[in-house]
Amino acid sequence: QKEVEQDPGPLSVPEGAIVSLNCTYSNSAFQYFMWYRQYSRKGPELLMYTYSSGNKEDGRFTAQVDKSSKYISLFIRDSQPSDSATYLCAMTSNTGNQFYFGTGTSLTVIP
Amino acid sequence: NAGVMQNPRHLVRRRGQEARLRCSPMKGHSHVYWYRQLPEEGLKFMVYLQKENIIDESGMPKERFSAEFPKEGPSILRIQQVVRGDSAAYFCASSPSGPEQYFGPGTRLTVT
Repeated sequence: QKEVEQDPGPLSVPEGAIVSLNCTYSNSAFQYFMWYRQYSRKGPELLMYTYSSGNKEDGRFTAQVDKSSKYISLFIRDSQPSDSATYLCAMTSNTGNQFYFGTGTSLTVIP
Repeated sequence: NAGVMQNPRHLVRRRGQEARLRCSPMKGHSHVYWYRQLPEEGLKFMVYLQKENIIDESGMPKERFSAEFPKEGPSILRIQQVVRGDSAAYFCASSPSGPEQYFGPGTRLTVT
């Protein structure tokens, strides 16, 4: 079983839609949960991170963590064509020595 | 403030040659991580370094791969005697501390 599971998609939505991206994980030691956006042939860009369970909002983006279910989500409101990219979840324990990434979900927002 | 810099951006090596990948972290960042990315496989952790120290190299193959982060200069990921299976995108990320990682643009290694 992989440490982190992420549906690769592809996911295609119309402009203005709410997008939900999800990851599950198996290691209960994970405490920090990150979301990255990666455009084709570029390096990942950190969108936001959360610690432990709960919600965090930043503009059109909301991250949720449910540690009891080992399930994290990223919601994108009012999606824009510029949001079209691959979204990667990542997580690490308190020591932060190793980071585990999902395989990424490819998102296309259609104008 | 310049971001994380990696060079070269593209590197072609023949089987058996050596590949040297360089990473200059963001100013003020003393933590460097190296990852390998293959299509459909996501980012795989290789090694975590702080200045002059390897903290965790558990993701790096024992043979042919080495990494360093000297007191002065960039971090280097070195692959000796490259094979076709080493072809991938290699990313480094730097961090001031904690979970925030800032990635460079990557080096795309092709082994012919």
